[in-house]
Amino acid sequence: ELKVEQNPLFLSMQEGKNYTIYCNYSTTSDRLYWYRQDPGKSLESLFVLLSNGAVKQEGRLMASLDTKARLSTLHITAAVHDLSATYFCAVDRDSGGSNYKLTFGKGTLLTVNP
Amino acid sequence: SAVISQKPSRDICQRGTSLTIQCQVDSQVTMMFWYRQQPGQSLTLIATANQGSEATYESGFVIDKFPISRPNLTFSTLTVSNMSPEDSSIYLCSVEDSRASQHFGDGTRLSIL
Repeated sequence: ELKVEQNPLFLSMQEGKNYTIYCNYSTTSDRLYWYRQDPGKSLESLFVLLSNGAVKQEGRLMASLDTKARLSTLHITAAVHDLSATYFCAVDRDSGGSNYKLTFGKGTLLTVNP
Repeated sequence: SAVISQKPSRDICQRGTSLTIQCQVDSQVTMMFWYRQQPGQSLTLIATANQGSEATYESGFVIDKFPISRPNLTFSTLTVSNMSPEDSSIYLCSVEDSRASQHFGDGTRLSIL
């Protein structure tokens, strides 16, 4: 059974600081997703990582994937208050197939303080 | 990316009743997925719905409790049957796109009294 672990689960940051959220998963997969969820809202797709070594950046967020280590990171650069949200990683348990069944981590609640 | 509409957006129901949630997509998709997010928790996949075949349920979810219909390539429904307070959750449908990304509807926030 695929297990996805995120850490930390809670993260309180000062504006302007950098930090990394980690996502470990237990079985082979070549598809990893990062989502953002604001309170009371649905999930917003941030990144889809489809191969070993994939790196994607959007604004102050950068995501990477190491399939050998079964590890993805979401790096936050110079945090701003607007980044406060819950961030989920999700792994496709079907690895290269066409079923796209996602197993989610527990989420990281990020609070950026002025 | 696909535009996904869910109805209702929220509801408060009495225990023992059933509620059907609709998910409409603005383009044809092969698979649609139904997830549950319990309060303060992560998302759990309930089932995968392909058009023209029975839904495939994940461990811990059964058709009698969560019947699903998929009459065409743009629409699906999830029914939460014989509801109890433990069914209070957000129910979300999602679809994949051609770039292997998966997008979610706004969700249905369900409270059972």
